[in-house]
Amino acid sequence: DVKVTQSSRYLVKRTGEKVFLECVQDMDHENMFWYRQDPGLGLRLIYFSYDVKMKEKGDIPEGYSVSREKKERFSLILESASTNQTSMYLCASSLNRGGGYGYTFGSGTRLTVV
Amino acid sequence: GESVGLHLPTLSVQEGDNSIINCAYSNSASDYFIWYKQESGKGPQFIIDIRSNMDKRQGQRVTVLLNKTVKHLSLQIAATQPGDSAVYFCAELFTGGGNKLTFGTGTQLKVEL
Repeated sequence: DVKVTQSSRYLVKRTGEKVFLECVQDMDHENMFWYRQDPGLGLRLIYFSYDVKMKEKGDIPEGYSVSREKKERFSLILESASTNQTSMYLCASSLNRGGGYGYTFGSGTRLTVV
Repeated sequence: GESVGLHLPTLSVQEGDNSIINCAYSNSASDYFIWYKQESGKGPQFIIDIRSNMDKRQGQRVTVLLNKTVKHLSLQIAATQPGDSAVYFCAELFTGGGNKLTFGTGTQLKVEL
């Protein structure tokens, strides 16, 4: 089975800190995604990547950046964490650029910014 | 922008009954739809998908129905079990526009014993 691993289940960071959320997938998927999940708002796409060193903005990229130096790893960076970035962050990957395959999600990282 | 929504935020059913979770989508160009299940503390898990050239697809205890005329999607769970308690999301994708799913806000399914 495809496995998507997020490095931390829970994180508590202070306002202004630089935060790295790491995601690794083990099945050679081309596509990787970062979402945040908030009550009543569902899943909102932050950034995604179709290939190494490639990134595209999603619906809510403000305050975030990403890095994809290797195919299996997609990092989400909060340059200066703020309290409104407290959320559940979900990483996902998929195989087929043209669709037809569902995403595989990680277990999520619950980030609290104090 | 386009949106995917769900009619009911919470659905309570008795164990053994059938569950029906509904979803409305607004992008008529969407040609691929997925249902996900998210249990507490876990990431969403793929349940079943359907392409727009189909109107019904069955899996194990689950059936997805697609009505393109009214842009409606439903997930039917037969003989609902306590382990089915979770949040269910529908998602849509226009494959000609890349591989970005748009998710609904989710329906909480509660199975009562």
